[in-house]
Parts: sequence; C-alpha cells; structure tokens
Amino acid sequence: AQSVTQPDIHITVSEGASLELRCNYSYGATPYLFWYVQSPGQGLQLLLKYFSGDTLVQGIKGFEAEFKRSQSSFNLRKPSVHWSDAAEYFCAVDGNKLVFGAGTILRVKS
Amino acid sequence: DTEVTQTPKHLVMGMTNKKSLKCEQHMGHRAMYWYKQKAKKPPELMFVYSYEKLSINESVPSRFSPECPNSSLLNLHLHALQPEDSALYLCASSQETVPGETQYFGPGTRLLVL
Repeated sequence: AQSVTQPDIHITVSEGASLELRCNYSYGATPYLFWYVQSPGQGLQLLLKYFSGDTLVQGIKGFEAEFKRSQSSFNLRKPSVHWSDAAEYFCAVDGNKLVFGAGTILRVKS
Repeated sequence: DTEVTQTPKHLVMGMTNKKSLKCEQHMGHRAMYWYKQKAKKPPELMFVYSYEKLSINESVPSRFSPECPNSSLLNLHLHALQPEDSALYLCASSQETVPGETQYFGPGTRLLVL
C-alpha cells in the first residue's frame, strides 16, 4: 500500500531564509509524487509534481523538489521564503489513488 | 481556466436535515472526486467518478450519497449526518482517473453538523 510521511508537523522560518520540507513515501513502483499547498480554510493548490525524468522538479511560486529514489524522499525547497508562503503543505503519492501525508504547517516570522 | 467551484462555502445542518453540496468544473475533465478533511488532518478520499459513473467508494456511510448528473457537475447529498461528520468537504477534478493525473481542487464546503 502507498503511504507518505511528513516528519515535521510545524516549521518556523524567518522571512528571506531558505526552506526545506521533508517528505518520505512508500510505494512499490515508480511513484507519482505531488506537493500541494493549502491556506487556512481554502482548497489545495498544486505546487509541483514528479512522475519521471529529471529528478529536480520546478514548480510555481519559486518552489522546487528533488526526487531521491534511494532515500524514498521528495523534499520541497525554496531559497528565500516570503511571508505569503505561510500555509500548510501536503506531500502526496498517487498509485491507484491520491494519498496525502499529514501535512507540515509553515510559519514565517518577520 | 483551472477552476473548480463549490457551493455553499459554509453549511450548518441538524442531524435530521437533508442538504446537498455542489461542485462544478468546466475544464472538460472526466474524473471528479469528493474528499473529506477533518481539522488538522489531510484530505481523505470518499468517492471517485469516472465518465459520470461511480468508480470508487471508500466505504463511506450511506448517509453520504454522491451524484454526477453530467460531466461538469458533482453533488454530494447529505442525510441524517452525525456531529463527527463536521469537516471541510473538497471536490476535485482531473482529465482522467489515470495515476499521475493532476487533480484540481475547489475551495471546499465547511460543514458543521449540530
């Protein structure tokens, strides 16, 4: 069965600092992996996805993620965080259905 | 246009009421989904429709009844709900139900059952 682990429930970074959100997945075959962002009370917006090819994926809003098969990881990164990035971030794996991790809440301090 | 719309935004209902949630997309997608998201939890899949036919029901109680009247619309009929059914209900759509297809989410309906 597919599963996703996001080990950090909360992360706080200073505005302008770099960001890395961790995601580990479990899936028997080549996974389809996604990062979504959810602002309070809102739906989910796709940041980026990986399903083959280049292991470094570029997304919207300056985000990128790197797929590492050997570590079963798909970590999300951003070089310089803006206050508007404060939200909850979900990593997800799609085998026969989309399964989300528990989410990481990002707080940005000025 | 990658927009999925949901109405109403908020809904309060009693345990004996009948209500419906609506979802609409005009992207020509043939797959539509209902998810339930409890507070501080990730979304969990409830139902999947493919070409207007129910293809997945994740063992959801019968007090939730989905309906797909056409390829653009998805309803979720609610009857005799329990307080623990209070949650954010998200609708999503994708081109097909093939793994890896991007799902586009609506803003959700926040439901409170009293």
